[in-house]
Amino acid sequence: DGGITQSPKYLFRKEGQNVTLSCEQNLNHDAMYWYRQDPGQGLRLIYYSQIVNDFQKGDIAEGYSVSREKKESFPLTVTSAQKNPTAFYLCASSVYRGSNQPQHFGDGTRLSIL
Amino acid sequence: LAKTTQPISMDSYEGQEVNITCSHNNIATNDYITWYQQFPSQGPRFIIQGYKTKVTNEVASLFIPADRKSSTLSLPRVSLSDTAVYYCLVGPGSGNTPLVFGKGTRLSVIA
Repeated sequence: DGGITQSPKYLFRKEGQNVTLSCEQNLNHDAMYWYRQDPGQGLRLIYYSQIVNDFQKGDIAEGYSVSREKKESFPLTVTSAQKNPTAFYLCASSVYRGSNQPQHFGDGTRLSIL
Repeated sequence: LAKTTQPISMDSYEGQEVNITCSHNNIATNDYITWYQQFPSQGPRFIIQGYKTKVTNEVASLFIPADRKSSTLSLPRVSLSDTAVYYCLVGPGSGNTPLVFGKGTRLSVIA
């Protein structure tokens, strides 16, 4: 079955620590995205990538970093510079960049601060 | 990017038809209208997409008037499992502008 796998489902971070959230897709999609969702809020775009070795900042990129070394993988690092990292993080992919291409989402990673 | 306005919440009884309207007054010529559904602690799921007139699939119908300044997602005979947040997105058919997921409409289906 094709889809997007995010891991871990729950993640705890200590103050001052970097953590990396995994996102893998086997849909052969070119475009991938990371969103952040806070309780009762919509999704906000952190970073997106249209192709391997390329990525662009979204609306709230500060305190986050990404890499796109492989087509199927788009990991997100939440750095210590992100002062309020507690949130639900969602990864998505689409055939290519463009709003007429439906995005397929993973089941998310819930990050909490210890 | 066209801004969208949706009701914050709606309630419905099981078995009723639910219509959720989204306003997008400044929709551009190349923009599509896409609806997603999100259950708690899950990622959003694509429901339906349209450009004009009416689109129907096994889950929902999407009605778009001629001026395209609004759209209506219609869910026939809702059940308790349709309780979710529904997002309306409007964006360019091409180009690099990021999509914007607003707060959506929280639909509560009551038995």
